This record gives sequence, C-alpha cells and structure tokens, in this order.
Amino acid sequence: EVTMTQSPATLSVSPGERATLSCRASQSVRSNLAWYQQKPGQAPRLLIYGGSSRATGIPARFSGSGSGTEFTLTISSLQSEDFGVYYCQQYNNWPGTFGQGTKLEIK
Amino acid sequence: QVQLVESGGGVVQPGGSLRLSCAASGFSFSIYGMHWVRQAPGKGLEWVAFIRYDGTNEYYADSVKGRLTISRDNSKSTLHMQMNSLRVEDTAVYYCAKDLWGYGSGTAQDYWGQGTLVTVSS
Repeated sequence: EVTMTQSPATLSVSPGERATLSCRASQSVRSNLAWYQQKPGQAPRLLIYGGSSRATGIPARFSGSGSGTEFTLTISSLQSEDFGVYYCQQYNNWPGTFGQGTKLEIK
Repeated sequence: QVQLVESGGGVVQPGGSLRLSCAASGFSFSIYGMHWVRQAPGKGLEWVAFIRYDGTNEYYADSVKGRLTISRDNSKSTLHMQMNSLRVEDTAVYYCAKDLWGYGSGTAQDYWGQGTLVTVSS
C-alpha cells in the first residue's frame, strides 16, 4: 500500500498571500495524484487531477505540480472561501490512498 | 447536473449487516466506474472500494476486504455496498463518488454524494 504524507498539518495564511501545501508518496505514483478540498459538513470537492490538471470550474489560482513522489498544491492568492481541509490522493495503485490532510486556516 | 444520493445508513450492532445504496442521475452511469469513500467522525478520508463501469472488476481497501461488497445495477443507475460483519471501526460517513473518466479502471473522483452515516455500536 502506498502511504501519502501531507505537510504541514495546519497552515495559516492571510488573504491575498500564497499558500503552498505538500504531499509525498512512499513510492512513485507517476502523475496519478489528485487534490481535494473539504469544508466542514460538506463532501470533498475535486480540485486537481493528473498532478496538475484543474477540474471543471476550479479557479485558476489553484495549481498543482510534481510527479513521482513529490507533489505541491499552490493557491496563488488566498481568498476567504479557500479555508478547509485539503487532501491528496494517489490512484496509481490500489488501494487509492489519501493523505491525512492539511487544514488551511485564514489568518 | 450530476447527482448522487446515498441512503441506507443507520445504527447497527457489531457483527451486523447493512446495505447502502447510491442513486445516480445526470450522467451516463453505465460508462463510469464508481467508488465508495468513508470518513470516520473527526478523521480524514479513507478510500473503501471501486467497481468498474461494467461491474467486471472490484477493488477493496484491506480493512474491508471480505466483509464489504460493492455492486451496481446499471439498469437502475444505482450503486450498492453490502456491509457484513460490521465492526465499531466501520463507523463513518460513507460517500459514493463518480470516477473522473468513462470506461476507466479507477482514477480521481469528480462528483460526490452528501454521504450517509453508518454507526456500529452495541
């Protein structure tokens, strides 16, 4: 089973600033990596798939990069609605494991 | 628009059984693989199971293998999860989710239902 490790556990960023979230895989997952956002009481929302492709309707301020074992989600100019927990997930190997999440707080 | 509506959750005793359903609409259900993902109270996401668009292959997390069974009825655009030998640690909100690509073998999940709560407790 591929282990996904996210850092930091919590990130506090002011509106308008850049937020950078990291995700590391225990073995190569090529570009088969997705990012999700989840707000309290809501289902997760797909942000990025294939490591760097934005899902339908996702604002351009969200971008993903990386391949192999190291991945990054960047929010270029944080908006107040971007708070929540962000998860990465690999789907290169079964089971499709999630990271433990990064909680993004608005400072 | 894509809609996924889960049902069947509830309270069950350890060792008991439950059957979850997910009614899909707004897309061609029969050409998309489907997932179940769960989230224990206050915890992160855990992928549980996937079934190919035609039902020919299923994949499970080790934690549920042999106890939970995913299935689908393409004629009714419905996904199911039969849950047997339930344990306290199976307590979670269970989400059904649509696979991103048609005819695929399992990728990201682009649409999610609102979830149904399963509580396993004596």
